[in-house]
Amino acid sequence: GNSVTQMEGPVTLSEEAFLTINCTYTATGYPSLFWYVQYPGEGLQLLLKATKADDKGSNKGFEATYRKETTSFHLEKGSVQVSDSAVYFCALSYGGSQGNLIFGKGTKLSVKP
Amino acid sequence: EAGVAQSPRYKIIEKRQSVAFWCNPISGHATLYWYQQILGQGPKLLIQFQNNGVVDDSQLPKDRFSAERLKGVDSTLKIQPAKLEDSAVYLCASSVLRGDTGELFFGEGSRLTVL
Repeated sequence: GNSVTQMEGPVTLSEEAFLTINCTYTATGYPSLFWYVQYPGEGLQLLLKATKADDKGSNKGFEATYRKETTSFHLEKGSVQVSDSAVYFCALSYGGSQGNLIFGKGTKLSVKP
Repeated sequence: EAGVAQSPRYKIIEKRQSVAFWCNPISGHATLYWYQQILGQGPKLLIQFQNNGVVDDSQLPKDRFSAERLKGVDSTLKIQPAKLEDSAVYLCASSVLRGDTGELFFGEGSRLTVL
């Protein structure tokens, strides 16, 4: 079946450090891939997405590239800020009538000043 | 554009009691989802509606959970009787159906505590 595996946290970084959160997926066909973020006390919100192989999603300084050959969608940011502290979820979806999201377990990121 | 609305935001009940959560999706979104998010885990799909029909309810514990989406707009999720393990945040989400890429828009969630 379809599934998403992401690195376990928590991840603790100092401000301005480089961030990588690994995500790999198992799926048939060509799903769309997403990173959702959940800030403390807030609801889930889309951070970035990629809909086909080799696409790069980007937002707020975060990037992730859809790698079909390695079935991966790793999240990166060159210089994290305290305000990036949140839980990050990798997810996949086929859209349309099969559009439900399948989530990873989430990775908690804490950024210290 | 108004987002996905959910209520109540918080609910505390005792086990074996019942509870209902309400969701109003983004206007024009044909597909509505209910997810359960247990503390420390990723959200898990409970049920998916397309307009007012059920597309997927394979992970809904049907002996205690029920959901409906009358007139293809807002939806209600009910738990009766509640168990301790039902303590979670219940997330409602919606999406466009045709031509979409699978992006879901989430409400802020309803946090349930079962004592």
